[in-house]
Amino acid sequence: NAGVTQTPKFRVLKTGQSMTLLCAQDMNHEYMYWYRQDPGMGLRLIHYSVGEGTTAKGEVPDGYNVSRLKKQNFLLGLESAAPSQTSVYFCASKLRGTEAFFGQGTRLTVV
Amino acid sequence: AQSVTQLGSHVSVSEGALVLLRCNYSSSVPPYLFWYVQYPNQGLQLLLKYTSAATLVKGINGFEAEFKKSETSFHLTKPSAHMSDAAEYFCAVSDRSNDYKLSFGAGTTVTVRA
Repeated sequence: NAGVTQTPKFRVLKTGQSMTLLCAQDMNHEYMYWYRQDPGMGLRLIHYSVGEGTTAKGEVPDGYNVSRLKKQNFLLGLESAAPSQTSVYFCASKLRGTEAFFGQGTRLTVV
Repeated sequence: AQSVTQLGSHVSVSEGALVLLRCNYSSSVPPYLFWYVQYPNQGLQLLLKYTSAATLVKGINGFEAEFKKSETSFHLTKPSAHMSDAAEYFCAVSDRSNDYKLSFGAGTTVTVRA
């Protein structure tokens, strides 16, 4: 049982480059999330999805896009990376009324 | 929207001493409440959750938390700290009616002194 799997685990981008982070869950969860974690700021919600084909903005959506074409996958895109997007990104998923399960994180550095 | 406040970004305790981490939430309606732990370079792991009427919730690794509606609090405790408890701890909250919105506190880093 893999749970929530994030790909890649580490990445270094140059300013202006684009990339996509992949999150896959095998628990048939309805809700999926992308958070970023920065020192002293906890986890801040970037985007979330309450079901296949639906997405919504969280607290800090600017500079990011997402897609959920399949229930088990939630993609986070950075169209033009900026140094301010250097962070650790976490994907999570959950069922209604239960706790969230987290991936191991993606450490992204933008230089 | 729901929010949580964790008092104290860093807590240092001696091995064997009480661990107390504070969490207060903003809603007048009791929400779902969670405590997560994050060990270095890892994802978040659930310690315990409050989703029902039982106000004292027991979790893994000897942790427990008490829901106090009058104080809008959900503080996390462990009677006797162990070196392996050194980690970052996050309180999280979601509305019962719209529980897809999950918000986290800023986190509390626990260090354990030998």
